[in-house]
Amino acid sequence: DAGVIQSPRHEVTEMGQEVTLRCKPISGHDYLFWYRQTMMRGLELLIYFNNNVPIDDSGMPEDRFSAKMPNASFSTLKIQPSEPRDSAVYFCASSMVRGYEDTEAFFGQGTRLTVV
Amino acid sequence: GESVGLHLPTLSVQEGDNSIINCAYSNSASDYFIWYKQESGKGPQFIIDIRSNMDKRQGQRVTVLLNKTVKHLSLQIAATQPGDSAVYFCAENMKDTGRRALTFGSGTRLQVQP
Repeated sequence: DAGVIQSPRHEVTEMGQEVTLRCKPISGHDYLFWYRQTMMRGLELLIYFNNNVPIDDSGMPEDRFSAKMPNASFSTLKIQPSEPRDSAVYFCASSMVRGYEDTEAFFGQGTRLTVV
Repeated sequence: GESVGLHLPTLSVQEGDNSIINCAYSNSASDYFIWYKQESGKGPQFIIDIRSNMDKRQGQRVTVLLNKTVKHLSLQIAATQPGDSAVYFCAENMKDTGRRALTFGSGTRLQVQP
């Protein structure tokens, strides 16, 4: 498996524009996570899905952020409208549960978003 | 007020020495812990994990110790190499919150001097 695949790797956009980040999780994984990493706040969980269903979106900062998982192999994180303070590295990760036990989350390479 | 940014503690070691990176976790009910390594420009990479029913787990050149009494986790790296230079994060799964997602610590930067 190629691992978790994110696109684009880098995105530079102007304030007010819509930004869509994409993620392909590892095949067979039933959990998908979106994290944001900044110098100020470190790695923060934004939202996670189980079997394509959003379970916890309490980390999504505002209504400008939305995430979808239309099927088991694809998820998007959308910011509309984008603001300079959204500049960060956004990571997607996936994992699976074996029996009732959690296992490690595998991370993608991230999307570095710069909003100017 | 808000700090300018996260101040990452830095551990500087000589190549060949052993490294110990420490982490204090927050939730006494957490039952699963992971150490991740993050190199510049890359995503966090799994190193080793441990469940709360264990005190120690060993991998290749790495050992994780868990002290539930004081909520402390440590990562030991034997014979540290330049390629070990990275930021290391501990993460916990706060299962009692009903949330199956990892909460990350702020990280420690490991610098290996050749």
